[in-house]
Amino acid sequence: KNEVEQSPQNLTAQEGEFITINCSYSVGISALHWLQQHPGGGIVSLFMLSSGKKKHGRLIATINIQEKHSSLHITASHPRDSAVYICAVSAGNQFYFGTGTSLTVIP
Amino acid sequence: SQTIHQWPATLVQPVGSPLSLECTVEGTSNPNLYWYRQAAGRGLQLLFYSVGIGQISSEVPQNLSASRPQDRQFILSSKKLLLSDSGFYLCAWSLTGVSGYTFGSGTRLTVV
Repeated sequence: KNEVEQSPQNLTAQEGEFITINCSYSVGISALHWLQQHPGGGIVSLFMLSSGKKKHGRLIATINIQEKHSSLHITASHPRDSAVYICAVSAGNQFYFGTGTSLTVIP
Repeated sequence: SQTIHQWPATLVQPVGSPLSLECTVEGTSNPNLYWYRQAAGRGLQLLFYSVGIGQISSEVPQNLSASRPQDRQFILSSKKLLLSDSGFYLCAWSLTGVSGYTFGSGTRLTVV
């Protein structure tokens, strides 16, 4: 069993839809990261969370430490949001990564 | 099976000393290779990525350089370390057209 589980693995949405990607983890963490990887490109860090909620533009990330769960929300989705979204947690010197959610937003 | 090796796991270096971190991938060919850094209290930052031997793209101007002398080898270097180079360095690989990627176990670098 992976230390970090993401769902869904694949997601297709119509432009404008509200999107939620979920992440659960099983280890004690110092921080949780949401990363974005565009096709053929590198990976960028969207959020780093240790508690509560963060918002950046149309992206919102929440974390519930007690339940060991985080969600990434995208409001008013756009085709340029199409990418792989990865949840990662840092625990001491270790990083654990989810396998990613491949999001496709259709115009 | 595909594996990625990154070493060393921890490193303490004095300011002004050189740096060489190595990352190798096994079980795949022509991977995309990446170096990331997480500075204390900050998210992951892409430093370099490579789509082939000798092809290096730099995302952030810095005191570091990268080289890819072989298809499955990626090296992160510095001629003179700065205190601000301290952080957690991660190597990763992916395949073009395939979603998902794999990270190495990371190197904790402390510059003193």
